[in-house]
Amino acid sequence: QKEVEQDPGPLSVPEGAIVSLNCTYSNSAFQYFMWYRQYSRKGPELLMYTYSSGNKEDGRFTAQVDKSSKYISLFIRDSQPSDSATYLCALDRGSNYKLTFGKGTLLTVNP
Amino acid sequence: DAGITQSPRHKVTETGTPVTLRCHQTENHRYMYWYRQDPGHGLRLIHYSYGVKDTDKGEVSDGYSVSRSKTEDFLLTLESATSSQTSVYFCAISEEPYEQYFGPGTRLTVT
Repeated sequence: QKEVEQDPGPLSVPEGAIVSLNCTYSNSAFQYFMWYRQYSRKGPELLMYTYSSGNKEDGRFTAQVDKSSKYISLFIRDSQPSDSATYLCALDRGSNYKLTFGKGTLLTVNP
Repeated sequence: DAGITQSPRHKVTETGTPVTLRCHQTENHRYMYWYRQDPGHGLRLIHYSYGVKDTDKGEVSDGYSVSRSKTEDFLLTLESATSSQTSVYFCAISEEPYEQYFGPGTRLTVT
């Protein structure tokens, strides 16, 4: 079983839709849960991180972690064409500064 | 890109030649990383550094070596490039386990 699983998509939605992106993981040692956004031919950029379980909101973005189910989500409200990118989840044990990345989900928001 | 530059940005080289990629940061972050990103595999850690002259292997380190003689510079060397090393290479820096900042990437083609 892979440590992190992420549906690669592609996911195509109309502008204004609510988008849900998800990852599952197998190792209960993960403590930090991050979401990165990567535009085409650019480096990944950190969107937000969550420590342990719970929700975190930043503008139109909400990150959710359910450690009991080993499931993390990123919700995008009122999606915009500028949100079109690949979204990668990343997890860290908090002890060795090495992230484990999902393979990314390609999102397209159509105007 | 959080004060991270990578050089060169693009390179085409022949099989069997040595190649060195450079990552330079102006943030004085302790940790530096080299990743490769390939379709179907996502981001994979090659090597990382946790201080000057302190480096360790990642999950795909075979055929690669690194050096860090100054806080701001982290070099990745392909001793004898192979076609399987054609990829996009990203450098990242970190001061906290949950915050890695990525450079713009280097596109390497080995013919």
